[in-house]
Order: sequence, then C-alpha cells, then structure tokens
Amino acid sequence: DIQMTQSPASLSASLEEIVTITCQASQDIGNWLAWYQQKPGKSPQLLIYDATSLADGVPSRFSGSRSGTQYSLKISRLQVEDIGSYYCQQAHSNPFTFGSGTKLEIK
Amino acid sequence: QVQLQQSGAELVKPGSSVKISCKASGYTFTSYDMHWIKQQPGNGLEWIGWIYPGNGNTKYNQKFNGKATLTADKSSSTAYMQLSSLTSEDSAVYFCARREQLNWYFDFWGPGTMVTVSS
Repeated sequence: DIQMTQSPASLSASLEEIVTITCQASQDIGNWLAWYQQKPGKSPQLLIYDATSLADGVPSRFSGSRSGTQYSLKISRLQVEDIGSYYCQQAHSNPFTFGSGTKLEIK
Repeated sequence: QVQLQQSGAELVKPGSSVKISCKASGYTFTSYDMHWIKQQPGNGLEWIGWIYPGNGNTKYNQKFNGKATLTADKSSSTAYMQLSSLTSEDSAVYFCARREQLNWYFDFWGPGTMVTVSS
C-alpha cells in the first residue's frame, strides 16, 4: 500500500497568516493527489485535485503544489472559516490511502 | 443538486452485523461509483471499497475483505454497506462518497453514519 505521511499533525496560526501542510508519498504517485477539508462534525469536502487544481467553489486562497513525491497545500491568508482538519489522499492505486490529517486552529 | 443521505446512528452488539444505507439524489445513480470510507474517533480516513451501481461490480480494500459487503439498489438509488462480525474496532463513522468521473477523487460525501459496537 502507498503510505501518505502528512505533517504537521496540528497547527495553530493567526488570521491572515500563510499556512502550509505537506504530504509525502511513499512512492511515485504522479499528480494523483487530492486535499480535503473536514470541518468539525462534518464530512470531508474536496478542495484540490490532481495536486494543483482547485475544486468548484473553493476560494482562491487555497492552492496545491508538488515537488517530486512531496505535496503541499497552502492557505495564503488564513480565515476563521478555514479551521478544521485537512487530509491528503492518493488516487494513484488501490487501496486509496489518506494522510493522517492536520488539525488547524486559530491562534 | 447532488445529495447523499445516510441512515442513522447504530448501536450494535459485538459479533452481530449491521447494514447502513446511502440514498443518492440529484444525479444518475448508475453512472458513478459509490465509495465507503471509515473514520474512527479522533483518527484519519480509511478507504473500504467501492461499488458501481450500473452493474454491481465491487472492489474492496483487502483489509476489509470479509468485513464489509457492498450492494446497491438501482430502483431506489441507494447504496448499502453491511459490516459483519462486529468488534470494538469497527466503532467508527462511515461515510459514503461519490467518485468523480475522471479520476479517483471523491466529490460528494454523505454526512456519515456512526456505528457503535458495545455490549
């Protein structure tokens, strides 16, 4: 199985700050990576797909990037509605695996 | 609009089985895979498997072979997941999620069904 190592596990940042979350894949997955946001008590929502493409309706302050097998999610100006947990998911091969998550809080 | 409506929370005894449902609306049910994902309290997400309602084909994460059985009823646009031989390790929230058509991402999710296994 492909392992997705996500960091940090938790993050506290100030409003308007830049936030970056990373995922390291255990093998080459190309651009087959998604990011999801999960607000407390809700189901995950697709933010980014194909490593860098913004899903419909997602604010432009969210962006994704890739460097080899390392993937990053960046929030350019943190807003209060961005609090929650974030997960990466590899879509390269079965079984589809997720990172362990990053819990984002406002400082 | 696309909606996935899941059945309510379940409290079940160890060793028993449970069947949870996911009713789809707002799109052609038979044209998209339906996936199931497990989330244990405070934990991350674990992919269980998928079913293609158009022909009933299924694919499972090997870890859930023998634990989960996926079915679908085209007439009611409802997907089902049965979990058997339940233990405390099966206590979790279970999500159904639609796969978007081009790649293996999940574009719409149900609200989740909490299953608690306790005597």
